[in-house]
Amino acid sequence: EAGVTQSPTHLIKTRGQQATLRCSPISGHTSVYWYQQALGLGLQFLLWYDEGEERNRGNFPPRFSGRQFPNYSSELNVNALELEDSALYLCASSSFTGTENTEAFFGQGTRLTVV
Amino acid sequence: KQEVTQIPAALSVPEGENLVLNCSFTDSAIYNLQWFRQDPGKGLTSLLLIQSSQREQTSGRLNASLDKSSGRSTLYIAASQPGDSATYLCAALGGGADGLTFGKGTHLIIQP
Repeated sequence: EAGVTQSPTHLIKTRGQQATLRCSPISGHTSVYWYQQALGLGLQFLLWYDEGEERNRGNFPPRFSGRQFPNYSSELNVNALELEDSALYLCASSSFTGTENTEAFFGQGTRLTVV
Repeated sequence: KQEVTQIPAALSVPEGENLVLNCSFTDSAIYNLQWFRQDPGKGLTSLLLIQSSQREQTSGRLNASLDKSSGRSTLYIAASQPGDSATYLCAALGGGADGLTFGKGTHLIIQP
């Protein structure tokens, strides 16, 4: 069974540009979480999508946005990139079976570098 | 709003020791609690998942316990090895809008 896949693995952008990061969850998972991890820092919660809807967002400016598609894959968009947006962006997926929430699995991340 | 705290922030021990990592959470209304490890520059690897109805889970040299009433979980690592060196994170899955909330992690170094 394929795990959570993220693309691209690495992304280099210039300040002011837009970046689009993609995440494909494990088959059957309906929830997708996005986290930012800047160098040497902990995981900062960005966005949570479930069944196509945004359930919660972290304390990030509106230029961080995303969506979840009908197949439960997700995109994270970052507009007007700033140098401090350089970080590892991690995506996780999980699901609710009706009696239990499944184990959450992470992708290997997208390393975004803003120059 | 769920808050997760991990103690200690960092730990360095000689190889072969047994050790305990602690995790506490403020809202006991969780669906489950999960432990992860992260190697530098990598994604997170799931270690153990404890559903809210369970008290502990074991996988090899790892044992995780959950006490919802006191808002605590512990990860016990037996006979530590240098390959166990990593950052260990716990995450609570809560109801409502809390989603999956992480602690800041324990940075573990096992000295050969």
